[in-house]
Amino acid sequence: AQRVTQPEKLLSVFKGAPVELKCNYSYSGSPELFWYVQYSRQRLQLLLRHISRESIKGFTADLNKGETSFHLKKPFAQEEDSAMYYCALSKGSASKIIFGSGTRLSIRP
Amino acid sequence: EPEVTQTPSHQVTQMGQEVILRCVPISNHLYFYWYRQILGQKVEFLVSFYNNEISEKSEIFDDQFSVERPDGSNFTLKIRSTKLEDSAMYFCASTLVGNTQYFGPGTRLTVL
Repeated sequence: AQRVTQPEKLLSVFKGAPVELKCNYSYSGSPELFWYVQYSRQRLQLLLRHISRESIKGFTADLNKGETSFHLKKPFAQEEDSAMYYCALSKGSASKIIFGSGTRLSIRP
Repeated sequence: EPEVTQTPSHQVTQMGQEVILRCVPISNHLYFYWYRQILGQKVEFLVSFYNNEISEKSEIFDDQFSVERPDGSNFTLKIRSTKLEDSAMYFCASTLVGNTQYFGPGTRLTVL
């Protein structure tokens, strides 16, 4: 079964502290993995995707096929990072996206 | 930067009534999607649409649901006879190629 699991519903860290949002997936094949973010009162937007291997807003995510994980990391959290983060996967070009249940990240000043 | 738009932002309806949720995808995009998110739950795929036909649909997308691209710009989701459990946030998305789907702001549907 295709599934994305985000074990933490809420993660609260202090400004300047490192952040790691966990994501594990279940998929038979080689999916494409994403992180989407939804800031307060804004739409879902793509944060990063594993194939691009780029850092966006200081966030990175490494695909670990052995552990079927795609954890999102940032070394120093900023207050503007407070948002809902969704890990997601897709099987290929233009295919449906399967979302995890999301993690609300709260950065304390 | 072009964006996906959705109207209305909030729709309240009585159980059993028909509703049409409207989306204007980004103009040169070719693939269109509807997702929904029931309060407190994950975002779920409903249907994808390409070349004027449904390319994939989920189990949620039963005979009560239909989609249409009536002209060159709009993409609609119709629920024929709404149920209480249809209350959710409905998101439209579109993409040109590849996998970067661009999402609209959503329509909150409340069924009373």
